[in-house]
Amino acid sequence: GQQVMQIPQYQHVQEGEDFTTYCNSSTTLSNIQWYKQRPGGHPVFLIQLVKSGEVKKQKRLTFQFGEAKKNSSLHITATQTTDVGTYFCTNAGGTSYGKLTFGQGTILTVHP
Amino acid sequence: EAGVAQSPRYKIIEKRQSVAFWCNPISGHATLYWYQQILGQGPKLLIQFQNNGVVDDSQLPKDRFSAERLKGVDSTLKIQPAKLEDSAVYLCASSATSGRAREQYFGPGTRLTVT
Repeated sequence: GQQVMQIPQYQHVQEGEDFTTYCNSSTTLSNIQWYKQRPGGHPVFLIQLVKSGEVKKQKRLTFQFGEAKKNSSLHITATQTTDVGTYFCTNAGGTSYGKLTFGQGTILTVHP
Repeated sequence: EAGVAQSPRYKIIEKRQSVAFWCNPISGHATLYWYQQILGQGPKLLIQFQNNGVVDDSQLPKDRFSAERLKGVDSTLKIQPAKLEDSAVYLCASSATSGRAREQYFGPGTRLTVT
């Protein structure tokens, strides 16, 4: 899969503030998958976006896939301390047997 | 359903020694992956199996790393001899199918320290 660039690398917020991380690619992506990894834990699948302009919500989390399928975002409303961790976006290459290529991710710290 | 199992959880060895990691994927998952995650980085795919065949090992350092998935279920990853830069968490993941994107389920990982 093609590697996507993710920003910011780090984000520190106060509990209750919103948080957004962005993924960008220079080429059109077949899909985007988002994973969360808690400190000391393993990546956990959050969601997959496939369609242009797709928006999906999971409680306080909102995921978007750009119209051109070259970017994606994850927005968390009113962060909680349980949101702490690293958020990765990945592209599972459309033709390469689901191979994921992870970037560095965005490390989120939430101060109570 | 039971998740991906890995053992051991932690391993400390000296450089030039050998080590092996074991993974048992979720029952019925045809695709198995081994990742290396160095501290502060995202996971890097080492090898991917579809049943008992290798579909991608382009990033596996084959001079020292080997992996097998006999009978298309359990898998082992071996390092021989280990180097200091092999210190990392080794993650195993599985997914229900390949050929199109499917979510991957990760095991807890094995934290390897090479001294």
